Amino acid sequence: AQSVTQLDSHVSVSEGTPVLLRCNYSSSYSPSLFWYVQHPNKGLQLLLKYTSAATLVKGINGFEAEFKKSETSFHLTKPSAHMSDAAEYFCAVSDMGYSTLTFGKGTMLLVSP
Amino acid sequence: NAGVTQTPKFRVLKTGQSMTLLCAQDMNHEYMYWYRQDPGMGLRLIHYSVGEGTTAKGEVPDGYNVSRLKKQNFLLGLESAAPSQTSVYFCASSYQADTDTQYFGPGTRLTVL
Repeated sequence: AQSVTQLDSHVSVSEGTPVLLRCNYSSSYSPSLFWYVQHPNKGLQLLLKYTSAATLVKGINGFEAEFKKSETSFHLTKPSAHMSDAAEYFCAVSDMGYSTLTFGKGTMLLVSP
Repeated sequence: NAGVTQTPKFRVLKTGQSMTLLCAQDMNHEYMYWYRQDPGMGLRLIHYSVGEGTTAKGEVPDGYNVSRLKKQNFLLGLESAAPSQTSVYFCASSYQADTDTQYFGPGTRLTVL
């Protein structure tokens, strides 16, 4: 069975400081992992995904994530937060051969000036 | 390309009323999904389709029905709306399953009184 745990419901940072959003997953086989971002009153947009290629994945807007199989983690990072990064972020997993994604409950990122 | 569109954007129903939400995609995707989003719950899969004429149950299918008569359209029906179905509904589509990006519509905000 596939599942995702986002370890923080809210993360607050100051503009210009690093961002770390944590995601742990559970899967039976070879997972694909995704990070999506949702700005207020919008749909979800893909930030990045891991599909068994390089373990360090770069995404849009300076975000990146590292797949660590031994830790079953896929944490999202950004070196320097921008005010426009304030949004809700969702981690999701799909096991090989599955037709569906399982989403975490989301992490709200708050960025203060 | 319009991508994934949803109709309507907002709707208010009374308990017991019925309605249909329409999702359309112009990307020739095989897979289509309906999710509901509730505060603190992330996205939960209601029903999905792996191709024209097929449907399958997701995590929270009770009280909903779906149809995929045309490849580009995926309809979500509420036969007898209940206040517990107050939510934001998102449609998504993808070309393939497990490793592929899901593209999301802008959402429908439904309130059941």
